[in-house]
Amino acid sequence: DAKTTQPNSMESNEEEPVHLPCNHSTISGTDYIHWYRQLPSQGPEYVIHGLTSNVNNRMASLAIAEDRKSSTLILHRATLRDAAVYYCILRDITPPHYSGAGSYQLTFGKGTKLSVIP
Amino acid sequence: DVKVTQSSRYLVKRTGEKVFLECVQDMDHENMFWYRQDPGLGLRLIYFSYDVKMKEKGDIPEGYSVSREKKERFSLILESASTNQTSMYLCASRNLMSNQPQHFGDGTRLSIL
Repeated sequence: DAKTTQPNSMESNEEEPVHLPCNHSTISGTDYIHWYRQLPSQGPEYVIHGLTSNVNNRMASLAIAEDRKSSTLILHRATLRDAAVYYCILRDITPPHYSGAGSYQLTFGKGTKLSVIP
Repeated sequence: DVKVTQSSRYLVKRTGEKVFLECVQDMDHENMFWYRQDPGLGLRLIYFSYDVKMKEKGDIPEGYSVSREKKERFSLILESASTNQTSMYLCASRNLMSNQPQHFGDGTRLSIL
């Protein structure tokens, strides 16, 4: 998987928007941008993913730069429950037929630890 | 919403015991995974199943086996538990389609004494 770079930590006040950046300057044309988060003592949780266009779901929005070399995860109103480590990863489009365990394995970097201040 | 359910959140077993960790998903996903997560080592894949009765070794399969007799259920077996298998175990599932994410359970924190 191509490399991503994220800040180690960020802080936000409760009920304010949060913009979590991710740089991926070596992204290829077939890489999807995926975001996961992991709350303390829980399993990773899928947040959102996209290819080129901005994406919205009930949890967050994903803004993708026009050249796709960076993206931003947007939490519109941070809550205490959003305090977690956020991981940005790139996933190549794997063919629909099976192509080996390694092609499906997720590898997280250090991510961004988000603290939410009441 | 996808639901991946792991049978236990916390489990304590003794060295040498045979340990079963169960995982069930409710979205008819073809692919299922077992990872372990340790501080400083990140996620490591133990086994992967791409469909019923199919399995593939991940990076660290030694000391583990798996079973996938039904599509919704993927079991991880520690044949003879050892203290170095104390860890957080995470099950995940995903749809076969190429760009789909993995959905994780809450994890089982297993301690081997």
